[in-house]
Amino acid sequence: DAKTTQPNSMESNEEEPVHLPCNHSTISGTDYIHWYRQLPSQGPEYVIHGLTSNVNNRMASLAIAEDRKSSTLILHRATLRDAAVYYCILRALYNQGGKLIFGQGTELSVKP
Amino acid sequence: EPEVTQTPSHQVTQMGQEVILRCVPISNHLYFYWYRQILGQKVEFLVSFYNNEISEKSEIFDDQFSVERPDGSNFTLKIRSTKLEDSAMYFCARPRIGAEVTDTQYFGPGTRLTVL
Repeated sequence: DAKTTQPNSMESNEEEPVHLPCNHSTISGTDYIHWYRQLPSQGPEYVIHGLTSNVNNRMASLAIAEDRKSSTLILHRATLRDAAVYYCILRALYNQGGKLIFGQGTELSVKP
Repeated sequence: EPEVTQTPSHQVTQMGQEVILRCVPISNHLYFYWYRQILGQKVEFLVSFYNNEISEKSEIFDDQFSVERPDGSNFTLKIRSTKLEDSAMYFCARPRIGAEVTDTQYFGPGTRLTVL
């Protein structure tokens, strides 16, 4: 599975948008871009995923660069409950067994 | 979708003892995963289980570990002789119902294992 690079930590103010970047310069054509988050003392939680086009759901938006070498997770209005570690993960279409390979992620803190 | 449940939430054991961690997925779900997270470290894949067989396992998943589906519904992770370094949070996960394995995974709340 291709490697991703994320900043170790980011800060945001409550009710402001947050843009969490992820670089994946070695992504292959069949790699999906997944985002998960882990709130304190909880298991990882699925946020969003995409392949080429930008994606929106009730939790967040995913903006994928045209060359797919980077992506950005967008939280439109950060709340205190969004404070978590956010993981950007690439998953090959034919990933045998479907395992997730987590990196260190970005620890997001949200200030009131 | 219904949540994944895990029991116990916290297990304390002595080094060398056997522990069994349990996960209750949705009935008839064929794919299942175990991960662990040592305190302060990243989440690590242990094993995937498909249709009552191990599909893939990591280097961490050595002979001390085993997985079973003993009664057709619950999934278990057994550590035969625990070591201090087995202290971690253990998470089970399952794919979304009806989805391909490259789709989303839903994680349980985890079992905190403390080996003394």
